[in-house]
This record gives sequence, structure tokens and C-alpha cells, in this order.
Amino acid sequence: NAGVMQNPRHLVRRRGQEARLRCSPMKGHSHVYWYRQLPEEGLKFMVYLQKENIIDESGMPKERFSAEFPKEGPSILRIQQVVRGDSAAYFCASSSTRVSQETQYFGPGTRLLVL
Amino acid sequence: AQSVTQLGSHVSVSEGALVLLRCNYSSSVPPYLFWYVQYPNQGLQLLLKYTSAATLVKGINGFEAEFKKSETSFHLTKPSAHMSDAAEYFCAVSVKNTGNQFYFGTGTSLTVIP
Repeated sequence: NAGVMQNPRHLVRRRGQEARLRCSPMKGHSHVYWYRQLPEEGLKFMVYLQKENIIDESGMPKERFSAEFPKEGPSILRIQQVVRGDSAAYFCASSSTRVSQETQYFGPGTRLLVL
Repeated sequence: AQSVTQLGSHVSVSEGALVLLRCNYSSSVPPYLFWYVQYPNQGLQLLLKYTSAATLVKGINGFEAEFKKSETSFHLTKPSAHMSDAAEYFCAVSVKNTGNQFYFGTGTSLTVIP
């Protein structure tokens, strides 16, 4: 009974490179959320996706960041031309329904370090 | 707008002592409230949640929390701390009909002193 899977667990990029973060939701879950955790801060919502659709991207930076959740395969969070301020832990969560009281199950996170 | 405040970014207790981690929320409509625990370099694990049923909610590992509407609080407690409880604890709020995002507090780091 695998939980939410994220890879890589750690990612190092130089300024200007691209970062791709992957998330496989729990089996049977079709709702995926991405959060970012900056040092000494709580998690901040970035985007909510269902299969092939972005439902809410109100927390996504307007530039350089994009997310997708294709019909087949994991959800991808893509950061183009990374800058040092992108260094953070990125967490993916999934749920079985979209109702607000539904528990979101979190993956172990990807820790991105931009040099 | 919804928000969560966790008073005390660091809390230290002796092993066997009461654990009290504070969470206050701001919401114009009835909230759903969650407590998560995060161990070093791991993801968040659900401890317990309040979804408008009983106001006293029991969770895993002996933790419980009480929803107090008049105080807009959802404090987390455990009668007797164990060394394995040392971790980061996050309170989160979700609100009906305002999307599915969770709003997290900044977290409380719990240290248990032997």
C-alpha cells in the first residue's frame, strides 16, 4: 500500500538550469496538490490538479513555474531558470476526493538546492 | 481570508510531561482543522482532524485536540511526552467551498528532554 511517492528526494541545480519534480499520488487518488516549504516557514499552497486539468494555480508564481498531471504518469512540477530563492522543500499531496474536509496525504518531499 | 497561527515556534518538555501545542485559526466560515507531524527529512503525517463532528478529537500516538469555536482554537495535547514525539508539528485549516488548499501555520518544533 504505497503512499505518495516523490522523486528525486534531493535535487541540486545551478542558477539558470531547469528543475523537474515528480509526484505519484496514492493508489486511487486523482487529486494532487503541490506545496512549497521555505526554511523556518510553514507549507504554502502552490497548485491543485486533477488528471489533465489544473484546477487552482493561485499559489503558483506567474513566471518560470508550471505543473501538469497527465492522463498517464506522475504529476510534474517544473521550474525553469532556477534562482537561489527557489531553494526549498517541495511537497506533493494527494486526496481521493475534492471535498474540503478530505485528508491530504503527503509525500516525503523534494529538497531543491540552487547553487 | 483563512489563516493559522501557531504560538511558540519551539516548545521543550520533559519526558513524561504534558505536551501542549497551540493553534489559533481565522476563518469567516466553519473550518476543517488538521494537525500534521513532520519528522526530519520526511513528509507530513496526519495526526488528527476536525470535520464538525465531535469537538474533542483523538488521534494517533496518544494525541488529541479540542475545537473551541469561541476561542478560535484547536490546541494539540498529549498527557505524557515520549522521546519519539520530538518532531515538527503543523496545524492546518481548510474551508468549505473555498477550494481545496490547506492553509498551514509556521510550525512548532517539539523537543523532549530526557
